[in-house]
Amino acid sequence: AQSVTQPDIHITVSEGASLELRCNYSYGATPYLFWYVQSPGQGLQLLLKYFSGDTLVQGIKGFEAEFKRSQSSFNLRKPSVHWSDAAEYFCAVGASGFQKLVFGTGTRLLVSP
Amino acid sequence: DTGVSQDPRHKITKRGQNVTFRCDPISEHNRLYWYRQTLGQGPEFLTYFQNEAQLEKSRLLSDRFSAERPKGSFSTLEIQRTEQGDSAMYLCASSERRGTNEKLFFGSGTQLSVL
Repeated sequence: AQSVTQPDIHITVSEGASLELRCNYSYGATPYLFWYVQSPGQGLQLLLKYFSGDTLVQGIKGFEAEFKRSQSSFNLRKPSVHWSDAAEYFCAVGASGFQKLVFGTGTRLLVSP
Repeated sequence: DTGVSQDPRHKITKRGQNVTFRCDPISEHNRLYWYRQTLGQGPEFLTYFQNEAQLEKSRLLSDRFSAERPKGSFSTLEIQRTEQGDSAMYLCASSERRGTNEKLFFGSGTQLSVL
């Protein structure tokens, strides 16, 4: 069965500093991997996805993620965080595209001035 | 593109009552998904439709839960004889499958509180 682990429940980053959110997955075959962001009162918004090909994936809002099969990881990065990035971030894995996504428990990002 | 809309945004009910939620997907999206999100957890898959056909249901969807998408457009999720454990955010999402270019759009959810 697929599973996703996001080891950090909360992360606080200073505005302008770099960010890395960790995600480890468990899946027997090549996974479909996603990062979503959820702001209070808002729906989940897709930041980026990995299906195949280049292991470094660019997304919206300046985010990128790198798929490392050897480490079963798909960490999310951003070189310079803005106060508007404060939100909850979810990593997810799917067996076949968007069907039946399995989400991690999320990481809440706090941005300090 | 008006996005995925869900109604109501909030629902408070007493244990044992029935509740029904509605989801209006983005027009022409042929796939529709229901997820449930409890406090401090990520969303959990419940069920999905391709057009009007319900193709898969999670084991989380007990016999008290039923979902329909009668004309392949909007969908309803009904919970009968609600229990306190049903308190959660119920999320709807829709997509149009186009190979690897599928994008999944989520609604803002219906927050259910069972007293």
